[in-house]
Amino acid sequence: AQKVTQAQTEISVVEKEDVTLDCVYETRDTTYYLFWYKQPPSGELVFLIRRNSFDEQNEISGRYSWNFQKSTSSFNFTITASQVVDSAVYFCALRGGPGTASKLTFGTGTRLQVTL
Amino acid sequence: NAGVTQTPKFQVLKTGQSMTLQCAQDMNHEYMSWYRQDPGMGLRLIHYSVGAGITDQGEVPNGYNVSRSTTEDFPLRLLSAAPSQTSVYFCASSYWVTGRNSPLHFGNGTRLTVT
Repeated sequence: AQKVTQAQTEISVVEKEDVTLDCVYETRDTTYYLFWYKQPPSGELVFLIRRNSFDEQNEISGRYSWNFQKSTSSFNFTITASQVVDSAVYFCALRGGPGTASKLTFGTGTRLQVTL
Repeated sequence: NAGVTQTPKFQVLKTGQSMTLQCAQDMNHEYMSWYRQDPGMGLRLIHYSVGAGITDQGEVPNGYNVSRSTTEDFPLRLLSAAPSQTSVYFCASSYWVTGRNSPLHFGNGTRLTVT
């Protein structure tokens, strides 16, 4: 069975602080795919990034960076110099590889509140 | 390009009523799915489909039916609404044949209240 754990229910930071959102996953698949989604207060779900299990390179996109570590089954998300517009709920998700059910399993989300 | 379109945006039902949440996508995605979002629970998969004529159950399928007669449409039917089905429902789609790393594209959600 697949499982995604986002232990941080809610995080509050002051603008310009750096913040890391944790994601730990469990899967028996050797090939799998990890995703991060953002849900702003308006409610839509916005895709941020995907990572294949065989690609452990970290990724940076502007103020966002992702640290994928297979050894610890983690796929953490860091926002550098946070802004009020980053306030949202962030979801980590896992999808199994070929031959497994096609379910995308989500964590319970981390609510990030960025204040001035 | 409309993406994933869900209707209605809001719905109030009485216990025991039935209704259908509509979902359509215009991206020729093979994979379509329904999720419900409840506070503190994240998104939970209700039903999914990997192509026309093929559906399967997700994590919380009880009380819901789906069908997939075309690639574009994937309606979700509530057979006899219960207060426990009060939730926000999201439809999502993605490519499937070309790889499981395809991200899901979500509709804007339907907020359902059952009284």
